[in-house]
Amino acid sequence: EVRLVQSGAELKEPGESLRISCQGSEYSFATYWITWVRQMPGKGLEWMGSFDPRDSYTYYSPSFQDHVTISVDKSISTSYLQWGSLTASDTATYYCARQGGGVCDYWGQGTLVTVSS
Amino acid sequence: SYELTQPLSVSVALGQTARITCGGNNIGGRNVHWYYQKPGQAPVLVIYRDTNRPSGIPERFSGSNSGNTATLTISRAQAGDEADYYCQVWDSSVVFGGGTKLTVL
Repeated sequence: EVRLVQSGAELKEPGESLRISCQGSEYSFATYWITWVRQMPGKGLEWMGSFDPRDSYTYYSPSFQDHVTISVDKSISTSYLQWGSLTASDTATYYCARQGGGVCDYWGQGTLVTVSS
Repeated sequence: SYELTQPLSVSVALGQTARITCGGNNIGGRNVHWYYQKPGQAPVLVIYRDTNRPSGIPERFSGSNSGNTATLTISRAQAGDEADYYCQVWDSSVVFGGGTKLTVL
């Protein structure tokens, strides 16, 4: 069964850096895109960006382009979402998803990131 | 950028049929996917490419897409169907609708 397992909840202070992870298993990781989605408390789903493993190119939403970095280590079937400097508005749950043909068919369990002083 | 419009909430009586709409400019020409999300849980794909159900999704869930509206239909609604439902398309990016809260009365 396809699985995406994300790293655990994080509590950070404003200005700190952070990297969270998403490890895929039971499928060919290099064949599918990996998409990251933000969900702020009580709000809807927001697309942050998607990594295309065919050319290792990442497509970013303009809303997140200059604030986060999405990367992939194919050797360990893991994608990362990284911030250089967190703000309180980054407090949210972040989901990774396997994307193929434009559809996100499998999702990670989510990582709650709390940014507070 | 492409936009998807969903009603904030839909209510349905237990055992009746719920219909959740997703509006977009000529959305009928695109593939529409639907997800449900229960509180504290990750989204789950319930319909892909307009009308297809992933394995494990009951036949009570169906989809249609034409013109400017795609529709998710839930027949014989159950209390366990209460969730937020999101439509999604691909437009050189992943585009989600704002989500619809389904309440089963």
